[in-house]
Amino acid sequence: EVQLLESGGGLVQAGGSLRLSCAASGFPFSSYAMNWVRQAPGKGLEWVSSLSGSRTSTTYYTDSVRGRFVISRDNSKNTLYLQMNSLRPEDTAVYYCAKDVAVVRPQYSDHWGQGALVTVSS
Amino acid sequence: QSALTQPPSVSGAPGQKVTISCSGSISNIGAGSDVHWYQQVPGTAPKLLIFFNTNRPSGVPDRFSGSKSGTSASLAITGLQAEDEADYYCQSFDTSLSGSVFGGGTKLTVL
Repeated sequence: EVQLLESGGGLVQAGGSLRLSCAASGFPFSSYAMNWVRQAPGKGLEWVSSLSGSRTSTTYYTDSVRGRFVISRDNSKNTLYLQMNSLRPEDTAVYYCAKDVAVVRPQYSDHWGQGALVTVSS
Repeated sequence: QSALTQPPSVSGAPGQKVTISCSGSISNIGAGSDVHWYQQVPGTAPKLLIFFNTNRPSGVPDRFSGSKSGTSASLAITGLQAEDEADYYCQSFDTSLSGSVFGGGTKLTVL
């Protein structure tokens, strides 16, 4: 059974940093691209970032986080990360870790974590 | 402003059919990118509903169907049930943005 468990969320002041982790199990983690998707309170889903699987390590970012957020993975630990720097109040959201079905260019997410809440205060 | 446009809300009585549209552009759906649909009950994680435009994952009832044409896609739900009340999102890949994009979401109310 595929399981994705996010951790690392919390309250941080604007300008601060936070690192989210996503522990994966139940599938060959290194073989798949992985995604971060966020949802601001009362708003819709917003794709944040993707990282290819296998050895390609291609990264994708939405414009609003490029240069501030860094996605990475440790295949030896089956863990996905999202390092978030220079946080802004508009980054406040539940952040979901999601497994993609593709290896390189993201396609769609077939499994999702339960989400981690990040709150950025001004 | 989402790259994919969905109606904010749709509604229907039990047993009826509703359709949710997803309008894109030549840089995403019109470029040949596939469309995928998710269902989200408030307070829970999204669930994959339709992948590659028309395919249903195992366990999704055949009351749910997807289609794609030109720069748009649609999700149809027939035989509406109370449990279908949720938010629905379309998703695709945008070649200009070099990333995934979601629609703004559609809230389905079962009357």
